[in-house]
Amino acid sequence: NAGVMQNPRHLVRRRGQEARLRCSPMKGHSHVYWYRQLPEEGLKFMVYLQKENIIDESGMPKERFSAEFPKEGPSILRIQQVVRGDSAAYFCASSPPGEGEKLFFGSGTQLSVL
Amino acid sequence: AQKVTQAQTEISVVEKEDVTLDCVYETRDTTYYLFWYKQPPSGELVFLIRRNSFDEQNEISGRYSWNFQKSTSSFNFTITASQVVDSAVYFCALSEASGGFKTIFGAGTRLFVKA
Repeated sequence: NAGVMQNPRHLVRRRGQEARLRCSPMKGHSHVYWYRQLPEEGLKFMVYLQKENIIDESGMPKERFSAEFPKEGPSILRIQQVVRGDSAAYFCASSPPGEGEKLFFGSGTQLSVL
Repeated sequence: AQKVTQAQTEISVVEKEDVTLDCVYETRDTTYYLFWYKQPPSGELVFLIRRNSFDEQNEISGRYSWNFQKSTSSFNFTITASQVVDSAVYFCALSEASGGFKTIFGAGTRLFVKA
């Protein structure tokens, strides 16, 4: 049973480009959470999704950031027109239905903006 | 509002010493979960423990032990006989049932264990 899979592991973008981060939850998990970790800081909640629904996006920046979790396929965190301040580690976590306290984290995607 | 405070930014110990990492939390919920995660230099998050608010029993797992005290809203983590491989950043986290299990992390404590 594979764990939460995130790809790519490392992503390099130039300012102004788009970044797409992918997260495949564990099998049977229908809830996905995205977190961002800026250098030398703790993880900050960004968004919580269920299949085809955004449940809580209170931690998402108002502009340039969006997330989706389609019926089929991985969850995608999309950052448009990246800036240097977007450089961070982005972690995805998933949980089974009805057991939100059982979070399983992926290995993260390190985004570097040049 | 939920909040997790890890007052110790960095701790440095010599191998074989015991070390305690402090965690204080704030929540208005009666049902919540507390966690500890380890983040080694490689960057991944390693789950260590989850404790629910109704279980105040202390727990021991090998060299690791956790002290949960609701009266002081603390969930402290002790490593006994520390080893160099314990060097990492340790995060305490809180998740509330009413908040959709949105997990709030402390700022982390960086532990250096010197040989």
